[in-house]
Amino acid sequence: GQNIDQPTEMTATEGAIVQINCTYQTSGFNGLFWYQQHAGEAPTFLSYNVLDGLEEKGRFSSFLSRSKGYSYLLLKELQMKDSASYLCAVRTQGGATNKLIFGTGTLLAVQP
Amino acid sequence: EAQVTQNPRYLITVTGKKLTVTCSQNMNHEYMSWYRQDPGLGLRQIYYSMNVEVTDKGDVPEGYKVSRKEKRNFPLILESPSPNQTSLYFCASSLSPTSPWTGGDSYNSPLHFGNGTRLTVT
Repeated sequence: GQNIDQPTEMTATEGAIVQINCTYQTSGFNGLFWYQQHAGEAPTFLSYNVLDGLEEKGRFSSFLSRSKGYSYLLLKELQMKDSASYLCAVRTQGGATNKLIFGTGTLLAVQP
Repeated sequence: EAQVTQNPRYLITVTGKKLTVTCSQNMNHEYMSWYRQDPGLGLRQIYYSMNVEVTDKGDVPEGYKVSRKEKRNFPLILESPSPNQTSLYFCASSLSPTSPWTGGDSYNSPLHFGNGTRLTVT
């Protein structure tokens, strides 16, 4: 079956670094996306990884290991506005659709 | 401004009363999709469309219909809503989700989401 696992909740302190993990087991792999979603709002795109390694984008970085079925999102210099849910999503292979499957999200609370 | 527009944002209705949630995108995207989001269950795909007149079921299609008569519009129809369809709904669009391993050039095209429709069925 298809499965994506993320921790349900995490707490971190303003100014610190936090790592949000995602493990996946899917039928084929066409890349992994990270999205940020504030409460009651639409998810917004953060990053995409398809090759192993680290992709850096300002305060946010995302890492992928395809052999381990593992990714993490690293948030540096945390700010209060980073309090949100972070969704890991894998684009699978199959048919004409290369479907995107979402994890249930990690709710990050940033404390002063 | 590139965007996906959903309407309405909030909707309260009664069991059995047909309703339509509209979705429109101005990015000329081929791919459009509807999701519902429920606590603890994440985003689950209801229906998707690869292009005009091409639609197919996602993971939770029961009780929903869609149509894709024009590229920009992808309405979600609930013919006879029931309380278990109370949820937060998102429409999303992207370029065609090609494979990175076969030379496709839109493999990293992310989904762009509308602002959501919070539906309550009593």
